Amino acid sequence: EVQMVQSGGGLVQPGTSLRLSCVASGFTFNAYWMMWVRQAPGKGLEWVANINQGGSEKNYVDSVKGRFTVSRDNAKNSLYLQMNSLKVEDTAMYYCATYSLIWGRGTTVTVFS
Amino acid sequence: SFEVTQPPSVSVSPGQTARITCTGDALPNQYVYWYQQKPGQAPVVVIHKDTERRSGIPERFSGSTSGTTATLTISGVQAEDEADYFCLSADHNTLSWVFGGGTRLTVL
Repeated sequence: EVQMVQSGGGLVQPGTSLRLSCVASGFTFNAYWMMWVRQAPGKGLEWVANINQGGSEKNYVDSVKGRFTVSRDNAKNSLYLQMNSLKVEDTAMYYCATYSLIWGRGTTVTVFS
Repeated sequence: SFEVTQPPSVSVSPGQTARITCTGDALPNQYVYWYQQKPGQAPVVVIHKDTERRSGIPERFSGSTSGTTATLTISGVQAEDEADYFCLSADHNTLSWVFGGGTRLTVL
């Protein structure tokens, strides 16, 4: 079965850090660009970051540049999002996804003051 | 900054054809992807690379592009197609990706 299992969300205070993880199975993980997408409560989707197959190319939305880092470990079929200096406006459901195949079910990040 | 625009809502009766548009100046230079999201669920890939239907998606879903507009067409809409639909594309210059605001499809 093609799937991505997410973990790592939580309830944190502003200025702290979280690391989201996503483990893929059922497809050739290292053949795909991967992305992180977030959705604030009641809002639309927002693209956050992506990473190429080998991990050498990474891109970010302006609002997270310098705070978030995307990475991957192809040996573990895993994708990560390190989120530092979290802000209240980072509160959202975070999805890991491929562009063309599958999305994870999401993990909730709540930043409260 | 790069933007893509979708109509907030589209309504059709069962069996009719629904067309959801996605407009952006950079669309001719980058692929468009379409995702379906039902309430309380994660998005699902419907169309990738402008016109390619994801495996398992019914044939009534199709994608097309013309100039600065991409269109998701659902022929013979069924009640189960009621959902939010989002397009995604990229700014070729900045390598930043942007979702459209989403279109709520209502099946009357």
